[in-house]
Amino acid sequence: DSGVTQTPKHLITATGQRVTLRCSPRSGDLSVYWYQQSLDQGLQFLIQYYNGEERAKGNILERFSAQQFPDLHSELNLSSLELGDSALYFCASSVGDQNSPLHFGNGTRLTVT
Amino acid sequence: DQQVKQNSPSLSVQEGRISILNCDYTNSMFDYFLWYKKYPAEGPTFLISISSIKDKNEDGRFTVFLNKSAKHLSLHIVPSQPGDSAVYFCAASAHDMRFGAGTRLTVKP
Repeated sequence: DSGVTQTPKHLITATGQRVTLRCSPRSGDLSVYWYQQSLDQGLQFLIQYYNGEERAKGNILERFSAQQFPDLHSELNLSSLELGDSALYFCASSVGDQNSPLHFGNGTRLTVT
Repeated sequence: DQQVKQNSPSLSVQEGRISILNCDYTNSMFDYFLWYKKYPAEGPTFLISISSIKDKNEDGRFTVFLNKSAKHLSLHIVPSQPGDSAVYFCAASAHDMRFGAGTRLTVKP
């Protein structure tokens, strides 16, 4: 058990809809990362937060947004969903040092129909 | 932007033999490299890491080698065990952490 909790585990929704994925980091970790894994693809970095502030941005679409709250949990919002957004979305946390290993949740599987 | 590449999608090895997983990177700013292991229905878990100032790091059956001039790193597992069967991700860190596409290792009994 990594200590990182992601909810929900599965999500099925229709094109054009909006969903929110939630992540609770490991106790004591200040940094949260979001990654997208599409079929047979690697982990695509989306965004990183540290102690409530955005620290780094990757290949995150404008339709996607995220935030980290004062209690350090994070939410990833995906809007105007398209079929191609179907993927596994992983949240990871770390103490915050850029070289610290990441601790991953078990992911949220999003299916857009 | 594929800054971290794992060109072998899969690798099959006999139990007891050595497994060698390879990874290449393009960004010279990466200064820390990690390997993660992923079982089905779980998130990746950290396995071993190496700083750019070193060329080798060993932890039990796992050794990571770094060749900075070639921008190449490899993970050696010896001896390989059936429980090592998983997807292995290479990752590199600069301002954030970037991952390769993964290599599926199958260790046959």
